[in-house]
Amino acid sequence: GAGVSQSPSNKVTEKGKDVELRCDPISGHTALYWYRQSLGQGLEFLIYFQGNSAPDKSGLPSDRFSAERTGGSVSTLTIQRTQQEDSAVYLCASSSYYGQGIYEQYFGPGTRLTVT
Amino acid sequence: QKEVEQNSGPLSVPEGAIASLNCTYSDRGSQSFFWYRQYSGKSPELIMFIYSNGDKEDGRFTAQLNKASQYVSLLIRDSQPSDSATYLCAVNFNNNDMRFGAGTRLTVKP
Repeated sequence: GAGVSQSPSNKVTEKGKDVELRCDPISGHTALYWYRQSLGQGLEFLIYFQGNSAPDKSGLPSDRFSAERTGGSVSTLTIQRTQQEDSAVYLCASSSYYGQGIYEQYFGPGTRLTVT
Repeated sequence: QKEVEQNSGPLSVPEGAIASLNCTYSDRGSQSFFWYRQYSGKSPELIMFIYSNGDKEDGRFTAQLNKASQYVSLLIRDSQPSDSATYLCAVNFNNNDMRFGAGTRLTVKP
């Protein structure tokens, strides 16, 4: 079946502009995550949505970052007034319930954001 | 604090050797643990998960879990150059809240 999709795959923007990154999770997955990965670095947790619960925003690096998930499906990550340090690959993942309290997480291809 | 620690490496092993990757985590109540592989320029892909103490084998991969020591490892037997990648440890802290370590870069030399 279809996996997690993200758009755009690449985004180049000028410093100070706003950007929106989109994630379409796997159908039926209740949990959705956003991560950021800078070149050669690990995954930096940004935000996590689980069903209808309030999202865990503890990883958002500043108030310029926000995310929403509409109808429990598609999610948009918005970065306002972009800075050069925002340049990274933004990865989205959704998870399914395997059983026995285990959730398997599947990643999208990512959006490479470059702020010039 | 939800922390997952990995040795960033790089770890270099010769082809055919066993590669051993280690991970520690902060929350004693964590229940499930995952290993992901990430090739350069690609997204992470799930290799295997483990939730019971002891070993779990899948082909050339063996995950080992010791909850008392808050330690999980991944062994790769008969390492191949195609195994060269960054390996990410992930921990499900609770209610599907997944956090990742920084990853260990593995190089398998022919």
